[in-house]
Amino acid sequence: DAGVTQSPTHLIKTRGQQVTLRCSPKSGHDTVSWYQQALGQGPQFIFQYYEEEERQRGNFPDRFSGHQFPNYSSELNVNALLLGDSALYLCASSASITDTQYFGPGTRLTVL
Amino acid sequence: GQSLEQPSEVTAVEGAIVQINCTYQTSGFYGLSWYQQHDGGAPTFLSYNALDGLEETGRFSSFLSRSDSYGYLLLQELQMKDSASYFCAVESNYQLIWGAGTKLIIKP
Repeated sequence: DAGVTQSPTHLIKTRGQQVTLRCSPKSGHDTVSWYQQALGQGPQFIFQYYEEEERQRGNFPDRFSGHQFPNYSSELNVNALLLGDSALYLCASSASITDTQYFGPGTRLTVL
Repeated sequence: GQSLEQPSEVTAVEGAIVQINCTYQTSGFYGLSWYQQHDGGAPTFLSYNALDGLEETGRFSSFLSRSDSYGYLLLQELQMKDSASYFCAVESNYQLIWGAGTKLIIKP
């Protein structure tokens, strides 16, 4: 039973560029949440998708957007990248919006 | 505002017991979770408390007092592999709000 998978593992971009990160949830899970984790800090909630809709959103600007597909996989898009967007981006899936979240290995984004 | 407080670092000896405390102030509370994260790795779920009291899972136990907005994670029979960062996270309005993490250093 595959767990949560994310791609790519690492990514290097320059300021102003756009990036798309991908996540496949654990089998049987229909809810996907995205987090940003800066070095030495706890994860910060970006948003959550359920039934292909954004259900909850944290305190992140509109440059951060997402999508969930019918197979429950999800994408996180970040436009107009800033140096401060450099972080580990974590995807978590759960069997419902209130169930335990299981995390993928993350995508390490570096913005130069 | 919403905040979680936990010690930044705790040091313990292999084989000993260590407690990591977490106090929280959030609007809305459904439960308190604990996650372990090794350097460079993903957070791994350890425990969840929705009601007051102690939850035990093997060498790990977690406690919650909703009236005190306080919880702790207890790790027993510490092993070197337990060296990691430990995060408390509050489930609030369908979001997980995380503390900054406690780095657990284990000495032989």
